[in-house]
Amino acid sequence: GDSVTQMEGPVTLSEEAFLTINCTYTATGYPSLFWYVQYPGEGLQLLLKATKADDKGSNKGFEATYRKETTSFHLEKGSVQVSDSAVYFCALSPPNTNAGKSTFGDGTTLTVKP
Amino acid sequence: GAVVSQHPSWVICKSGTSVKIECRSLDFQATTMFWYRQFPKQSLMLMATSNEGSKATYEQGVEKDKFLINHASLTLSTLTVTSAHPEDSSFYICSASAGNNSPLHFGNGTRLTVT
Repeated sequence: GDSVTQMEGPVTLSEEAFLTINCTYTATGYPSLFWYVQYPGEGLQLLLKATKADDKGSNKGFEATYRKETTSFHLEKGSVQVSDSAVYFCALSPPNTNAGKSTFGDGTTLTVKP
Repeated sequence: GAVVSQHPSWVICKSGTSVKIECRSLDFQATTMFWYRQFPKQSLMLMATSNEGSKATYEQGVEKDKFLINHASLTLSTLTVTSAHPEDSSFYICSASAGNNSPLHFGNGTRLTVT
């Protein structure tokens, strides 16, 4: 079945550092790929997504590129802020499937220190 | 943008009582909503898919008689934890989308503590 493997955390960075959170997946066909962010005590928010190979999703300075050849969707940000401290989830959704039935990774906790 | 409202945000109840959690889509119609459970420092576990006007579809291992789901309208789904026990204490999250290939929107979650 489908699976998502995320880089284990927690990740602690200083403000303005470069961020990479690795995500690889196993799925048949061409799933849609997502990154969600969860702030303390809240639900998840969609951060970015990509629906086909070589697509780059971007939002709020975060980027991730859909790499079919390496089955990866790594999250990057060039300069993190304290406000980026949160848990980040990588997820995949098979084609023509409601995203609610996505397979989620285990989450990576990011802490950014001033 | 689309908003999903979940209430209550937290609830404390005594063992043996039942608790109802509401999930509303505020500005779009959701024929399908989803309920998840999240344990500390873990990912979301899909519990069930809530279908408007029909029975919910439960994931393997989730007790349908314990976690009652009702999806009475296109904007409201409820999850009732019946005869709650301390092991049911968890963070419950709902989500909704307008359909396949549409963005998924999450509620802010409900922290349930059973004493």
